[in-house]
Amino acid sequence: ETGVTQTPRHLVMGMTNKKSLKCEQHLGHNAMYWYKQSAKKPLELMFVYSLEERVENNSVPSRFSPECPNSSHLFLHLHTLQPEDSALYLCASSQVRSAYLNEKLFFGSGTQLSVL
Amino acid sequence: EDKVVQSPLSLVVHEGDTVTLNCSYEVTNFRSLLWYKQEKKAPTFLFMLTSSGIEKKSGRLSSILDKKELSSILNITATQTGDSAIYLCAVGFPNFGNEKLTFGTGTRLTIIP
Repeated sequence: ETGVTQTPRHLVMGMTNKKSLKCEQHLGHNAMYWYKQSAKKPLELMFVYSLEERVENNSVPSRFSPECPNSSHLFLHLHTLQPEDSALYLCASSQVRSAYLNEKLFFGSGTQLSVL
Repeated sequence: EDKVVQSPLSLVVHEGDTVTLNCSYEVTNFRSLLWYKQEKKAPTFLFMLTSSGIEKKSGRLSSILDKKELSSILNITATQTGDSAIYLCAVGFPNFGNEKLTFGTGTRLTIIP
């Protein structure tokens, strides 16, 4: 148990559906992240929230919409996804120190997403 | 473009063997190199190496950073079936006031009993 909980564990959705992924961390961290992990590709950073403000958005398509209502919760809202969006979506948290985000990340178990 | 390359992509060895996993990087303003172990789904932190800490050891696992060669190795001695996992390497560097972490594709290690 890493202290980062993601739900659901598995999700199958059609291209016209709207769904949301949820992440909750119990570690008292103040930065949260969404990563995408596709087969045979490196982990790709999608969004970073530090102190509840979005600090990075790596040119992610607008069909992915993050929300961070407080330092413990992070959502990823999905709509009109494409089959190539099928992947493992990992949430992570860390503690910001000084001017840098802490590289030591604590990951959740991910949501395995399949888009039909 | 920032790049992290891991080799081999996959490795199959027998229990008790020693393995060495490699990670090389090309980034500007290197700050740290991290190793994670991914069993099933959630990657878990193993080591962080920086200019002030180029060698780390924990039990049967050890890692060394070679800043001259822009690379790192992860050694696992006396491997056990529980070591089977994907091992991820990531490099951290400052990016416009924030830290950026770039991951490699990982090495899939399989330990045969």
